[in-house]
Amino acid sequence: QLQLVQSGPEVEKPGTSVRVSCTASGFTFSNSVIHWVRQARGQRLEWIAWIVVGSGHTNSAQNFQDRITLSRDMSTGTAYMELNSLTSEDTAVYYCAAGITGTAFNWFDAWGQGTQVTVSS
Amino acid sequence: EIVMTQSPATLSASPGERVTLSCRASQTLSHILAWYQQKPGQAPRLLIYDASTRASGVPARFSGSGFGTEFTLTISSLQSEDSAIYYCQQYSNWPLTFGGGTKVEI
Repeated sequence: QLQLVQSGPEVEKPGTSVRVSCTASGFTFSNSVIHWVRQARGQRLEWIAWIVVGSGHTNSAQNFQDRITLSRDMSTGTAYMELNSLTSEDTAVYYCAAGITGTAFNWFDAWGQGTQVTVSS
Repeated sequence: EIVMTQSPATLSASPGERVTLSCRASQTLSHILAWYQQKPGQAPRLLIYDASTRASGVPARFSGSGFGTEFTLTISSLQSEDSAIYYCQQYSNWPLTFGGGTKVEI
């Protein structure tokens, strides 16, 4: 079945960076779009960015455009999100999610289990 | 940015009841809307896409309807395991956006 497995929790200091991985199985990774979504405690889901796996094309929400890097490793079926210049407001659970039809403007067929990122001095 | 507004924020109901959750978009979406279910400590799960198509494995008691700016998710006969927060999401326009959620208590 469709599965996304994310890396473990991270604790980072303000001003530093964090990298989260997301390993896919059960679908054709190269034909998918991997999205990143976050959820602060008690808050709504917030879409961050996507990567079209086959082409490597990325797009992000305006709030993240100057401090996010998305990448993927086709050989391992893994997508990565790196977020820079962290502040306490970046403390949240970060999810990867997959759209398997290959178009970026799509629903999310599968979600990772989430990665808690805590930013604290 | 398209703003998604869900109502009510919280809904309390009994097993077997029929419940309806609402989602309104600030701009027309055609049918480009999904519904997700999120239980405590879990990732969201896709229920409905394209406003009315049930995702694989989703029980038939869940149904979606609507077009344009007004959408509904209906649970025809509430089960105890349906206790969760339900989110709508538009994927018609950049940036993709979610509603604030409706918490269903049983």
